[in-house]
Amino acid sequence: EIVMTQSPATLSVSPGERATLSCRASQSVSSNLAWYQQKPGRAPRLLIYGASTRATGIPARFSGSGSGTEFTLTISSLQSEDFAVYYCQQYNNWPPEKTFGQGTKVEI
Amino acid sequence: QVQLVQSGAEVKKPGASVKVSCKASGYTFTSYDINWVRQATGQGLEWMGWMNPNSGNTGYGQKFQGRVTITRNTSISTAYMELSSLRSEDTAVYYCARGRLPSVGATYYFDYWGQGTLVTVSP
Repeated sequence: EIVMTQSPATLSVSPGERATLSCRASQSVSSNLAWYQQKPGRAPRLLIYGASTRATGIPARFSGSGSGTEFTLTISSLQSEDFAVYYCQQYNNWPPEKTFGQGTKVEI
Repeated sequence: QVQLVQSGAEVKKPGASVKVSCKASGYTFTSYDINWVRQATGQGLEWMGWMNPNSGNTGYGQKFQGRVTITRNTSISTAYMELSSLRSEDTAVYYCARGRLPSVGATYYFDYWGQGTLVTVSP
């Protein structure tokens, strides 16, 4: 079983600042890594897949990088609507159980 | 545009069953697998199972084996998730999500999600 560990648990930033979120896999997942954004009371939204490909309609301020076991989601200049919880998910290994990280909350 | 619209909130007693629906639109329903993911209040995301709407083939997480059943009605582009023998720990928001399989041997990532259905299990 691959364990996904996100850090930090909470990230406090100001609007306009850069935010860097980390996700580590307990073993290599190649580039099969996705990032999701979830706002309170809303469903998760796909931001990034393939570790670095933005999903349809995702602003360019969101970027993903990494491969193997170390991944990063960067939000270049935080907007008010970006304050949310962010989850990483590996999809390299079947079955899909426990593929999500525990989340990073980005707060003001 | 792709949409997944789920049925409304449910309140159930322990031991009962619940059936949640997920109506797809904006794409060919039989072309993409549907998955179910749940989230307890303040907790993370937990995958439950998948279904191929074309074949009807399904697969379930070990934790839910024997208690969850995913079905579909292709004539109305709707998937269903039924969870039985409910207990208080099943209180959560249940999401359907369209799954993408990038390669053989890989598993799903989820490009579109339903709005979620709150299921409350309470005596």
